[in-house]
Amino acid sequence: GAGVSQSPSNKVTEKGKDVELRCDPISGHTALYWYRQRLGQGLEFLIYFQGNSAPDKSGLPSDRFSAERTGESVSTLTIQRTQQEDSAVYLCASSLTGGANVLTFGAGSRLTVL
Amino acid sequence: QKEVEQNSGPLSVPEGAIASLNCTYSDRVSQSFFWYRQYSGKSPELIMSIYSNGDKEDGRFTAQLNKASQYVSLLIRDSQPSDSATYLCAVVAGGTSYGKLTFGQGTILTVHP
Repeated sequence: GAGVSQSPSNKVTEKGKDVELRCDPISGHTALYWYRQRLGQGLEFLIYFQGNSAPDKSGLPSDRFSAERTGESVSTLTIQRTQQEDSAVYLCASSLTGGANVLTFGAGSRLTVL
Repeated sequence: QKEVEQNSGPLSVPEGAIASLNCTYSDRVSQSFFWYRQYSGKSPELIMSIYSNGDKEDGRFTAQLNKASQYVSLLIRDSQPSDSATYLCAVVAGGTSYGKLTFGQGTILTVHP
């Protein structure tokens, strides 16, 4: 696609529920990233995919967070048993290659956990 | 100490003035530095990248890097109201060859007519 697409744009859920956030990167971009941005804060790195493997998962905050990627396209970030501190905007970004560190971000998925 | 520090602002400048945004970082190994602009409710947008000591100019924007002082700055000349946004400084984590960025918390810039 022309840009990085994310869905849903907004998600409100109850504490304890599971959520899935989807990212469709720019066509041809092999590298894909997930970041989290809490209100009034900078972005926090969560995970990096090169193709469908994740060589760096070091930013995932707990084992409630997981992500997968199909080939060199869509990625899904799953948060199980959501907590209120998970409320944030989850941003996906992609780049042409892993060695290219110029990232293009999607519009984000705003998650609110009640 | 935060890995990437910025003054949160808000920084307020009149239209036509020079806005100066500053950032310090703690990782001496870092080699790649970026400035992103983020309008309220929108995603970050890359406006400048810099890799070598010195100045890099692009239109009204100038990025300055001093690796010895671990300092990077962004100057915006002839500031316009449309420049009002949050500016995020980002540094590639030292020792990584991919886009694992560490961000500052951002500086809110307001340009008033």
